[in-house]
Amino acid sequence: AQTVTQSQPEMSVQEAETVTLSCTYDTSESDYYLFWYKQPPSRQMILVIRQEAYKQQNATENRFSVNFQKAAKSFSLKISDSQLGDAAMYFCAYRRDKLSGTYKYIFGTGTRLKVLA
Amino acid sequence: DVKVTQSSRYLVKRTGEKVFLECVQDMDHENMFWYRQDPGLGLRLIYFSYDVKMKEKGDIPEGYSVSREKKERFSLILESASTNQTSMYLCASSSYNEKLFFGSGTQLSVL
Repeated sequence: AQTVTQSQPEMSVQEAETVTLSCTYDTSESDYYLFWYKQPPSRQMILVIRQEAYKQQNATENRFSVNFQKAAKSFSLKISDSQLGDAAMYFCAYRRDKLSGTYKYIFGTGTRLKVLA
Repeated sequence: DVKVTQSSRYLVKRTGEKVFLECVQDMDHENMFWYRQDPGLGLRLIYFSYDVKMKEKGDIPEGYSVSREKKERFSLILESASTNQTSMYLCASSSYNEKLFFGSGTQLSVL
């Protein structure tokens, strides 16, 4: 069964600095998708970034980028120039596409990011 | 603007009560999901539905059932609520090859 592991329950970063959140996963599939979701205090989950496993190039969205290491099954999120609004719970997620055409998302346990002014 | 609406933000129920959590999406999505979120455990899939009247068990379906009579609505039912079902419940929807869109969650307390 696929699993997603986030080994850092909590991280802190100084405003304007860079922070990296770790995520590892376990799968025997070759095609899949990986995601980072952000959950601020409002509880509304927001997609931060998405990576297709068949793409070697790391995804980037403005200040957010990933380091995708397929062989190591690692998918870390780097936040550059951290802002107070980045403070949230971050979840790493794996999507497995099934032959039936449906799919399942498997989420990690989350990393709470604090941004210090 | 796309929207997934959960009927209640906070809910307090008694042990043994039948509880309905409602979720409505306005995006004509085929897929809808119910997750439970607990501290230290992340999001765990309870049930999902890939079409009207179609459902599939997730990782923790025990004690729950679901109903999808219309495409836009996906209900989670706790037949007889228990204290260990106190949790945050998140509904989500998506179309194929799209991201998940989430509701803002229902914090359920069972006393």
